[in-house]
Amino acid sequence: KAGVTQTPRYLIKTRGQQVTLSCSPISGHRSVSWYQQTPGQGLQFLFEYFSETQRNKGNFPGRFSGRQFSNSRSEMNVSTLELGDSALYLCASSLNQPAPDTQYFGPGTRLTVL
Amino acid sequence: GENVEQHPSTLSVQEGDSAVIKCTYSDSASNYFPWYKQELGKGPQLIIDIRSNVGEKKDQRIAVTLNKTAKHFSLHITETQPEDSAVYFCAAAYTGKLIFGQGTTLQVKP
Repeated sequence: KAGVTQTPRYLIKTRGQQVTLSCSPISGHRSVSWYQQTPGQGLQFLFEYFSETQRNKGNFPGRFSGRQFSNSRSEMNVSTLELGDSALYLCASSLNQPAPDTQYFGPGTRLTVL
Repeated sequence: GENVEQHPSTLSVQEGDSAVIKCTYSDSASNYFPWYKQELGKGPQLIIDIRSNVGEKKDQRIAVTLNKTAKHFSLHITETQPEDSAVYFCAAAYTGKLIFGQGTTLQVKP
């Protein structure tokens, strides 16, 4: 069974631009979560989607948003990029949430904001 | 608030020795505790997990123990090998989201 895939793997943007990242979960998984990983803050939860609905949200500004499609694929968008948004963005999928369920991570999208 | 403390931040051992990483969580409502291994340029890979109704779980050279009263859990790796070198993260599950520790960089010297 194929793992979680994320596209693109690398992105370079400039301040003020917006970016969209994509995540395809493991086949059959209905929950997708997004995390931001930086050297200073570590791994931080952004939001979680299940059946096209956002069920959980972390402490990030409204510039960070996401959505999930009927096939469980998910996208996250960051608008008005800031230098501090440079990070590895990770997507994780699981069969079902919120009951604690094993989350499987993708390889991440490395975003650099110049 | 929700918090997971992880120690040590770096750990260096000789090949064949054991390695222990410890985590403490703040919210007693958490009931699921996974451990992830992250290698350079890759996403975190689940290596073992434990639920709150179990005190210990073992998978070959890897074991995890959980003390719910003290709110801490630990990862034990025995007979370490150079390929165990990576960053290890503990996490605690809070209502559908994972709260991660800051990570431990494990170096296994041949």
